[in-house]
Amino acid sequence: GESVGLHLPTLSVQEGDNSIINCAYSNSASDYFIWYKQESGKGPQFIIDIRSNMDKRQGQRVTVLLNKTVKHLSLQIAATQPGDSAVYFCAEKGGRYSTLTFGKGTMLLVSP
Amino acid sequence: EAQVTQNPRYLITVTGKKLTVTCSQNMNHEYMSWYRQDPGLGLRQIYYSMNVEVTDKGDVPEGYKVSRKEKRNFPLILESPSPNQTSLYFCASSPTRGTYGYTFGSGTRLTVV
Repeated sequence: GESVGLHLPTLSVQEGDNSIINCAYSNSASDYFIWYKQESGKGPQFIIDIRSNMDKRQGQRVTVLLNKTVKHLSLQIAATQPGDSAVYFCAEKGGRYSTLTFGKGTMLLVSP
Repeated sequence: EAQVTQNPRYLITVTGKKLTVTCSQNMNHEYMSWYRQDPGLGLRQIYYSMNVEVTDKGDVPEGYKVSRKEKRNFPLILESPSPNQTSLYFCASSPTRGTYGYTFGSGTRLTVV
């Protein structure tokens, strides 16, 4: 079957580089944001989240930055590894009783 | 292990033959949801359920049905599948509607011929 990675913007990096994946969200009322990673043949996996009262949150090798002024979210991956190759989605939640809305995704390709 | 289990992983069927994709979670989550994923369109929500016996339409509900008779199970039913329902389907669950990130199943790749 056709891969979900087709038609997606692609970021190609070398192993060891830092990667930055960007996401523009649509709802200025969104108060919760998540980054997911989807490897080929698998379901999306939670990476990191951030609430709208923060502008930065760090995890293990990953950092999420939130700029509410321009409705922009980014995921930074330090020392990118081949195992980081996947499709990355951002998701936003626009209020307490709303559901998550997912972006289209970005494919990250890491070369050894 | 906390997980969302979908079955089957792969399914090829013919137009009009009713099918059910099962979804079960072992985390006692109240919220469950079905998505379909198509190239260039991302993840689109089909149906969701806030709790037992409470279900509602998502963005693309046409041609699908769901039920939530028990907290752990949320089957997706295609009464009369058509080729445009060929897609990759994911079930997801969460403690509440959107306060936390969703846990996704491994997906069901459905082909309708």
